[in-house]
Amino acid sequence: DAGITQSPRYKITETGRQVTLMCHQTWSHSYMFWYRQDLGHGLRLIYYSAAADITDKGEVPDGYVVSRSKTENFPLTLESATRSQTSVYFCASSESSGEDQPQHFGDGTRLSIL
Amino acid sequence: SQKIEQNSEALNIQEGKTATLTCNYTNYSPAYLQWYRQDPGRGPVFLLLIRENEKEKRKERLKVTFDTTLKQSLFHITASQPADSATYLCASGFQKLVFGTGTRLLVSP
Repeated sequence: DAGITQSPRYKITETGRQVTLMCHQTWSHSYMFWYRQDLGHGLRLIYYSAAADITDKGEVPDGYVVSRSKTENFPLTLESATRSQTSVYFCASSESSGEDQPQHFGDGTRLSIL
Repeated sequence: SQKIEQNSEALNIQEGKTATLTCNYTNYSPAYLQWYRQDPGRGPVFLLLIRENEKEKRKERLKVTFDTTLKQSLFHITASQPADSATYLCASGFQKLVFGTGTRLLVSP
């Protein structure tokens, strides 16, 4: 089925380790987004991408790296994980950047850093 | 910077009643507001979009209003059902959506 897929769904790792969260969409949407969701903060944008090889920072980019070599994939890497990065991470996509464009979300990756 | 606020307290209502959720925005004037539903363990799902020049928009049992004077959007679910229990998020923004923290709705049989 077409959609947006995140993997893994759950991940436990240790501080200082590198971890990569994967996101794949089948709609060929131009825009892709990474959010983290924490109690009391709601969804906060980490990075977004307007097209392959075009990425930009969101509200909370520190400690994260993204790449987008292909339109359909948008991996998020924590280069040296910290406990404060324990969160639920959501990937989303949209056709374009307009205010009238809904975003389509994956079901998230629950990441715990010990 | 633009800010979207939703009541963080859960809303408890009985089945069959109308649920009304509030979204307030400050420091900007959005041209559109979006509403999403999020179930536990799942990603948000888009429900409705309303333009600033639309007073209200309906989709089945859902109704959204947009009041630019009050800087507020209201989200109504009529004839609510236990299956409507979820967290509802409002969002707005050009290129980068800003989300409210969401309001949890609990519909009791």
